[in-house]
Amino acid sequence: AQSVTQPDIHITVSEGASLELRCNYSYGATPYLFWYVQSPGQGLQLLLKYFSGDTLVQGIKGFEAEFKRSQSSFNLRKPSVHWSDAAEYFCAVGPSGGYNKLIFGAGTRLAVHP
Amino acid sequence: EAGVTQFPSHSVIEKGQTVTLRCDPISGHDNLYWYRRVMGKEIKFLLHFVKESKQDESGMPNNRFLAERTGGTYSTLKVQPAELEDSGVYFCASSLQTGVAGELFFGEGSRLTVL
Repeated sequence: AQSVTQPDIHITVSEGASLELRCNYSYGATPYLFWYVQSPGQGLQLLLKYFSGDTLVQGIKGFEAEFKRSQSSFNLRKPSVHWSDAAEYFCAVGPSGGYNKLIFGAGTRLAVHP
Repeated sequence: EAGVTQFPSHSVIEKGQTVTLRCDPISGHDNLYWYRRVMGKEIKFLLHFVKESKQDESGMPNNRFLAERTGGTYSTLKVQPAELEDSGVYFCASSLQTGVAGELFFGEGSRLTVL
């Protein structure tokens, strides 16, 4: 069965430090991959997506993610974290084509220390 | 332009009671989705409407859950009777199209607590 694993439930980083959030998926074909963020009091917001092509994708708010087929991973990175990045981050896969019927991971909650 | 709105934002009910959650999608979005996150776990797909028709309801957990979208505008999700395991956050999302062009726009979610 298709699944998404986010191994880290909580991560704490210092402001200005680099960040990498891990995501592994289980899916037979080339997946459609997404990262969403939920800030306090807000809905899920799309950070970036991978459908095909260049395996390094850029998103909003200075985030990027790299698709590695050999590792079944789609890790999210940011070179320098800001206090406003404190939120919960969700990795998702779209097995039905694009955004249809997304399968989400359990989320990683990011805390940022000043 | 207004985003996806959901209410109530939080509902606390007793086991056996009924709760109705409402979602207003972005105007003009024919596609409406319900997802649920239980106990801090994964966010799981419940169902997908295209206008007023249920396109896919494979994620609905059981017949205590009833989703409607009369007139193809807002949608309601009724839980009757509610059980403890129904506690969680219910997200609604809408999109203009489906597939790779169908970016989802999510609401803030409705938190349901069943005591």
